[in-house]
Amino acid sequence: SQTIHQWPATLVQPVGSPLSLECTVEGTSNPNLYWYRQAAGRGLQLLFYSVGIGQISSEVPQNLSASRPQDRQFILSSKKLLLSDSGFYLCAWSAPWDTAYGYTFGSGTRLTVV
Amino acid sequence: KNEVEQSPQNLTAQEGEFITINCSYSVGISALHWLQQHPGGGIVSLFMLSSGKKKHGRLIATINIQEKHSSLHITASHPRDSAVYICAVSGNSGYALNFGKGTSLLVTP
Repeated sequence: SQTIHQWPATLVQPVGSPLSLECTVEGTSNPNLYWYRQAAGRGLQLLFYSVGIGQISSEVPQNLSASRPQDRQFILSSKKLLLSDSGFYLCAWSAPWDTAYGYTFGSGTRLTVV
Repeated sequence: KNEVEQSPQNLTAQEGEFITINCSYSVGISALHWLQQHPGGGIVSLFMLSSGKKKHGRLIATINIQEKHSSLHITASHPRDSAVYICAVSGNSGYALNFGKGTSLLVTP
């Protein structure tokens, strides 16, 4: 069966520090991978999606970046965090052969930038 | 971009009540999703619909494609149903979901 792992669960980082959040998927090949963010009091917002290794599309300009070094690994990074980067970050995957297939979400990372 | 509107924003019900949460969207979609987010933040996919109706236990989801509207019903509500329920749509161009802001449900004993 397919599973998705996301870590860490919580993170407190000072302004200006780097960030690396990791997500891995098991039990499927060539998944579509997504990073979403939920800011306080707001809905989920797509940050990045990837349809294959090294293929990253960005939906929102920001100081974050994403990489997909392996088929089932998706990494969210920042060189210098801003206070506005605080929020709840979710990784998700969906089946590439059907864009209407159900999504599976990771457990999320709650990031607080101080 | 598909605008997804949910109502109500907040809902309080007594245990046993029948609950309805509504979702409307602005442009054609390939599928509509109902998600549940518990206080810890984790999100669980409840339903994915492209037409008609689906039922799972006490949860029922319906969609009217012509009216661009979907409803999530909870029968015989229970305090453990307390959560944020989120509607999201995947567009015809695929890939990403557009989310509503969620409906916060509190079921009291």
